Amino acid sequence: GAGVSQSPSNKVTEKGKDVELRCDPISGHTALYWYRQSLGQGLEFLIYFQGNSAPDKSGLPSDRFSAERTGGSVSTLTIQRTQQEDSAVYLCASSLSGANYGYTFGSGTRLTVV
Amino acid sequence: KQEVTQIPAALSVPEGENLVLNCSFTDSAIYNLQWFRQDPGKGLTSLLLIQSSQREQTSGRLNASLDKSSGRSTLYIAASQPGDSATYLCAPGTLSGANSKLTFGKGITLSVRP
Repeated sequence: GAGVSQSPSNKVTEKGKDVELRCDPISGHTALYWYRQSLGQGLEFLIYFQGNSAPDKSGLPSDRFSAERTGGSVSTLTIQRTQQEDSAVYLCASSLSGANYGYTFGSGTRLTVV
Repeated sequence: KQEVTQIPAALSVPEGENLVLNCSFTDSAIYNLQWFRQDPGKGLTSLLLIQSSQREQTSGRLNASLDKSSGRSTLYIAASQPGDSATYLCAPGTLSGANSKLTFGKGITLSVRP
């Protein structure tokens, strides 16, 4: 596609429910990143996928968070048993490989846990 | 762990002024550095990417410089306009696999007064 697409744009869920957030990267981009932005905070790295390599999961805040990337394209970020502190904007980015190429971000999913 | 500082947190200037936004980072072993703009309620828009071997990059009224050894980058905006009002984020990237993993500052919120 022309840009990075994220869905849904907004999600309200009850505490304790599971949610899935979707990211569709730019076609041909081999790297895909998830970040989250909490109110008043900077962007926090969550997870990074590069081709067929094992993902870098070092930023996932707890085992309630997981992500997968199927067929080297679409990625899903799953949050189980959501908590109020999970409320944030979840941003996905993709890039080509190498120092010449920067990130292109999607518009994000605003998650609100009530 | 990379720490990124952007000071001040907010800045208000009259239209037409030239201004400099500063960014400092603790780990100078970076792969590249990207400057982004974020409008309220929106995702991030990439402004400029500087590779670690470069000193500066220019795009229109924007110029970004990088002093890797001292852990500093600046974004220069010439002849500021009200449409430049946004939050500006600095993100140095460290090598992870074949790509850079960006660490973000909290940003500088710029307001340009007509």
